[in-house]
Amino acid sequence: ELKVEQNPLFLSMQEGKNYTIYCNYSTTSDRLYWYRQDPGKSLESLFVLLSNGAVKQEGRLMASLDTKARLSTLHITAAVHDLSATYFCAVDIYLTSGTYKYIFGTGTRLKVLA
Amino acid sequence: SQTIHQWPATLVQPVGSPLSLECTVEGTSNPNLYWYRQAAGRGLQLLFYSVGIGQISSEVPQNLSASRPQDRQFILSSKKLLLSDSGFYLCAWSVGLAGDTQYFGPGTRLTVL
Repeated sequence: ELKVEQNPLFLSMQEGKNYTIYCNYSTTSDRLYWYRQDPGKSLESLFVLLSNGAVKQEGRLMASLDTKARLSTLHITAAVHDLSATYFCAVDIYLTSGTYKYIFGTGTRLKVLA
Repeated sequence: SQTIHQWPATLVQPVGSPLSLECTVEGTSNPNLYWYRQAAGRGLQLLFYSVGIGQISSEVPQNLSASRPQDRQFILSSKKLLLSDSGFYLCAWSVGLAGDTQYFGPGTRLTVL
């Protein structure tokens, strides 16, 4: 059974600090997706990582992918309150119907304290 | 540009009542469509996905069903709601190619009393 695990599940950090969220998955997929969900809202796509060694950066967030270790990281640099949200990683699985379905991690709830 | 709509935004229903949630996508053709449920404070559970009109695949056996009567319309239904059906229902679409991310609708918050 395909598993996508994130840690930590909850993260409370001070503004200005750095931290990393980890996403481990059990499939051989070389594509990994990161999403952000604000409280009470829907999911928003953050990053799409398409190959081993891929690195994407947007503002204070940087995502990377190591397909050999089946690990992706989301690094937060100098956190600010606006980054408070729940972050999900996901992998895709190719289906015989010719499309893909997505398996999501458990989510990491990030709270940045002033 | 593409837009995805869901309605209603919020719904409170008694146990045993029927359900119909609608999702429509604009600005794209033949999208792959997905229904997810998110229980409070939890992750996403894939319920159904569809690759075309009338083509529905179910991921979890339950009292819910889905239909796709038009290319860009996806409907989630139930004949009799259970308390456990409460949650945040999200519709999403993708192009259906490797490396294509999913785009999510605003969601419907369902409370079954």
